[in-house]
Amino acid sequence: ETGVTQSPTHLIKTRGQQVTLRCSSQSGHNTVSWYQQALGQGPQFIFQYYREEENGRGNFPPRFSGLQFPNYSSELNVNALELDDSALYLCASSLAAEQFFGPGTRLTVL
Amino acid sequence: AQSVTQPDIHITVSEGASLELRCNYSYGATPYLFWYVQSPGQGLQLLLKYFSGDTLVQGIKGFEAEFKRSQSSFNLRKPSVHWSDAAEYFCAVGVVNSGYSTLTFGKGTMLLVSP
Repeated sequence: ETGVTQSPTHLIKTRGQQVTLRCSSQSGHNTVSWYQQALGQGPQFIFQYYREEENGRGNFPPRFSGLQFPNYSSELNVNALELDDSALYLCASSLAAEQFFGPGTRLTVL
Repeated sequence: AQSVTQPDIHITVSEGASLELRCNYSYGATPYLFWYVQSPGQGLQLLLKYFSGDTLVQGIKGFEAEFKRSQSSFNLRKPSVHWSDAAEYFCAVGVVNSGYSTLTFGKGTMLLVSP
């Protein structure tokens, strides 16, 4: 059974640019959640996708958007990058209440 | 709204000594509770979870946690710490909101293990 994978591992962007992060969910999991973990903080919920629809969102602006595909993989898109967007972005897949996390993508915005 | 408090930012424990990491939560209903561990530059690994039933739950790597409803606590324990346990530990509460579930995390406790 393949776990949750994320790509890329690391990414460096400049302010104002756009970025796309990718996540492949664990086999059989139809729900994907994205979290942002700033340095020294716990992860914060961005949004969740269930069967290709966004079904929940945390306190993040609309420039954070996402997609989920028929195979349940997912993308996180961030437009107009700001310095404060520098963080570890974690993807988690689930079938019920328990979420399984990927290794994360480290985004640095200069 | 739900919240999780981990009062200790850093804890140092001698190898072989016992460990207790504190976690307090705020949530109006019976929560789902989780402990995750994160090594530097890595994702989150689930140590254990509480959904219902026995309030003492066993996890991986010799960890256990006890749910105490009266104290709104879910403290993590290990009888004998190994150097490889040095990492950051996160407590989380799972919440169901209008058909979707999410995790709310504490700020984490960094565990340092001294020889």
